[in-house]
Amino acid sequence: GGIITQTPKFLIGQEGQKLTLKCQQNFNHDTMYWYRQDSGKGLRLIYYSITENDLQKGDLSEGYDASREKKSSFSLTVTSAQKNEMAVFLCASTDSISNERLFFGHGTKLSVL
Amino acid sequence: QEKVQQSPESLIVPEGAMSSLNCTFSNSASQSIWWYQQHPGKGPEALISIFSNGNKKEGRLTVYLNRASLHVSLHIRDSQPSDSAVYLCAVRASGSFNKLTFGAGTRLAVCP
Repeated sequence: GGIITQTPKFLIGQEGQKLTLKCQQNFNHDTMYWYRQDSGKGLRLIYYSITENDLQKGDLSEGYDASREKKSSFSLTVTSAQKNEMAVFLCASTDSISNERLFFGHGTKLSVL
Repeated sequence: QEKVQQSPESLIVPEGAMSSLNCTFSNSASQSIWWYQQHPGKGPEALISIFSNGNKKEGRLTVYLNRASLHVSLHIRDSQPSDSAVYLCAVRASGSFNKLTFGAGTRLAVCP
């Protein structure tokens, strides 16, 4: 089996700050995703990447940048943190054959003061 | 854009009872439907998926899909306290390669 590791687990930022979240997977999966989870709402797709150096915008990409420099890693940048923002950011991956089942990391919880 | 609604928002059942969770989606051409389980502080974990109309059974889990009524349900037989979690319904729409749309979830509590 494999694992998806997200760092940091908790991230506290200031309004207007640029913040970077990191994700590593050892499944050797091609496709990786970043989702945002807000209380009481479904997961919303921010960015995904189908291979190294590929980036595809999801439904919630405004205010975020992403980078996939290696097959095993996918990073997400909040370009300007919003005051009182609080959400969990989840990284996931799928294998290239089925592209169906998502494997998730444990998430990064963001709080903006 | 695909819309996914889950009900109820929360559910409390006694240990040993059947838990029944519902999900409706907006597009009858949707391909696969997945159920994920999420414990506090953890990422979602895939439980079961269904593509064809009808039902699918895996262990204590049974899922029913009715494309005509745009409805899918998950039933957990002999519910255990360890089943207490948030359950997320996710739908892959036709033509939306690599993209799942998630519902807001049902919070299940199984009381000993």
